[in-house]
Amino acid sequence: GQQLNQSPQSMFIQEGEDVSMNCTSSSIFNTWLWYKQDPGEGPVLLIALYKAGELTSNGRLTAQFGITRKDSFLNISASIPSDVGIYFCAGQEDYKLSFGAGTTVTVRA
Amino acid sequence: DSGVTQTPKHLITATGQRVTLRCSPRSGDLSVYWYQQSLDQGLQFLIQYYNGEERAKGNILERFSAQQFPDLHSELNLSSLELGDSALYFCASSVSGNSGNTIYFGEGSWLTVV
Repeated sequence: GQQLNQSPQSMFIQEGEDVSMNCTSSSIFNTWLWYKQDPGEGPVLLIALYKAGELTSNGRLTAQFGITRKDSFLNISASIPSDVGIYFCAGQEDYKLSFGAGTTVTVRA
Repeated sequence: DSGVTQTPKHLITATGQRVTLRCSPRSGDLSVYWYQQSLDQGLQFLIQYYNGEERAKGNILERFSAQQFPDLHSELNLSSLELGDSALYFCASSVSGNSGNTIYFGEGSWLTVV
């Protein structure tokens, strides 16, 4: 499948801090998605981006679809303890989702 | 709760055996996807069905097969199991399977091969 490079691989953040993670790909995607996975759960969709250059917010989350359609970033503002988890980016082309390796976020209280 | 139901939640079986994982998509969703999540490979797309027919194939081994039934539930069959098949298997569903449709994931089925 497609290779998505997601970074950073993990991060420790202080409660209240802003967080940023990104994904890049060598291929173009029509849709970029950001998921969060909690232990023992399936990935839950956070934000979907459908147009190059699109900037979308969902509460404290903001994501952007890169102009080249080969990258996306996710920002979490004012992090709280429940932001802990693994965040995955995914690029969608036709019927398939290709996932990044995930960013593990741990919040220091 | 995403509305996608998977059974069983946990399964332990021996090498060489065969198992079947079951998925019920969200009400109204016609498309079902199967993904495998392992520590070393991450989340990998296996196969997609739409309204009973196979639509796309990903990194699915020949020992694995899937089908979607007229009532739209799906089963993933894993045979001649190997230790490396131990993973979390997710089912997901969407309305039509086209780009832009939100894909909802189930909670997964943990398979341990011993």
